[in-house]
Amino acid sequence: SQQGEEDPQALSIQEGENATMNCSYKTSINNLQWYRQNSGRGLVHLILIRSNEREKHSGRLRVTLDTSKKSSSLLITASRAADTASYFCATDAGGYSTLTFGKGTMLLVSP
Amino acid sequence: DTGVSQDPRHKITKRGQNVTFRCDPISEHNRLYWYRQTLGQGPEFLTYFQNEAQLEKSRLLSDRFSAERPKGSFSTLEIQRTEQGDSAMYLCASSRDRDEQYFGPGTRLTVT
Repeated sequence: SQQGEEDPQALSIQEGENATMNCSYKTSINNLQWYRQNSGRGLVHLILIRSNEREKHSGRLRVTLDTSKKSSSLLITASRAADTASYFCATDAGGYSTLTFGKGTMLLVSP
Repeated sequence: DTGVSQDPRHKITKRGQNVTFRCDPISEHNRLYWYRQTLGQGPEFLTYFQNEAQLEKSRLLSDRFSAERPKGSFSTLEIQRTEQGDSAMYLCASSRDRDEQYFGPGTRLTVT
């Protein structure tokens, strides 16, 4: 079963605009991770945010975590065509830290 | 290249045949995971190794699936008597303890 639910399912923007993707989950977590996947390829790790953290930055990426609402958001600022990909949130809910993924958000950035 | 590698990248097989995939994790990573991903879905967990011990298996992992990680290094995932429903991308990931999981490029299996 999938714990994370990304929203929206698809997002289409112009280069230079910001893109925001949201993730909701159901159970308590140790950490939440965001991944990017280009068409038909493996997943690239973007950012990990632990349950005791509220916000994290990495380059043009900003991730927030609200454990009271069981939700997270990923903001990509000043998007580029190369950001076109599917973005997944994945939760580590304890045990052996196996990840539970959502279905992803497909982001299309047009030049 | 010091990332996670998987072999083969693509495999086409006929229903009923056995297939085996290999994963080479990042060398200092003690944890290794297998996931399966079908079109339009996120990856789903299959099984987990800590060093050479297989510590967790998903209910998705039927009796036809077996995985090994001899000596805590590379891992193999074997599917016996393949079925069309086994067609998917099989992803391997590794991590050091509870840190980020790094994924390999995947093996795309097509069962005809």
